[in-house]
Amino acid sequence: AQKITQTQPGMFVQEKEAVTLDCTYDTSDQSYGLFWYKQPSSGEMIFLIYQGSYDEQNATEGRYSLNFQKARKSANLVISASQLGDSAMYFCAMRERSNQAGTALIFGKGTTLSVSS
Amino acid sequence: NAGVTQTPKFQVLKTGQSMTLQCAQDMNHNSMYWYRQDPGMGLRLIYYSASEGTTDKGEVPNGYNVSRLNKREFSLRLESAAPSQTSVYFCASSDGGLDQPQHFGDGTRLSIL
Repeated sequence: AQKITQTQPGMFVQEKEAVTLDCTYDTSDQSYGLFWYKQPSSGEMIFLIYQGSYDEQNATEGRYSLNFQKARKSANLVISASQLGDSAMYFCAMRERSNQAGTALIFGKGTTLSVSS
Repeated sequence: NAGVTQTPKFQVLKTGQSMTLQCAQDMNHNSMYWYRQDPGMGLRLIYYSASEGTTDKGEVPNGYNVSRLNKREFSLRLESAAPSQTSVYFCASSDGGLDQPQHFGDGTRLSIL
């Protein structure tokens, strides 16, 4: 079973609009962390935002916020006021305390976001 | 402010050739990782090193070996390259906490003919 599921292969949004990228996860751990990364066409991986399983508040970083619904095991990324530079691939990832691979991340397959003017 | 440095950035190999991908980090991180990225697959863990002197297999280790040369450097070796190993390879490092993000290198685009 997939640990991280991103059901939207592609999303399209106009500049200045908000967009939500979906992520659901599967873990039996009580302690885990959720991350979002951005990969522009140039290829590098850019860390955007983190949410811990015990955090009571949704994480926010500038125009990025994380809509964390623990009971539903979802961690959706919300980008407000989209910009052309937001066009990229976005990955949701999880780190579990019980992961045999130590602190490695488990990635979803990604969502491609296209922002138009 | 280098962070994680990978070399080379691009490489073309013939089937059966060997090659070592180099990775170095200057953030004094204990943990280092190698991932591969294939279209539609996200990033998959090949090998990781929780600390200097230790290495362990990840999800897709077959056909690869690694060496944690010291705290800074973690190399990935393809002993006999196969077309199925055509991919983009990322090295990453992090501190050990659950809340610590991984810092990635810029990737190596490897093509096996």
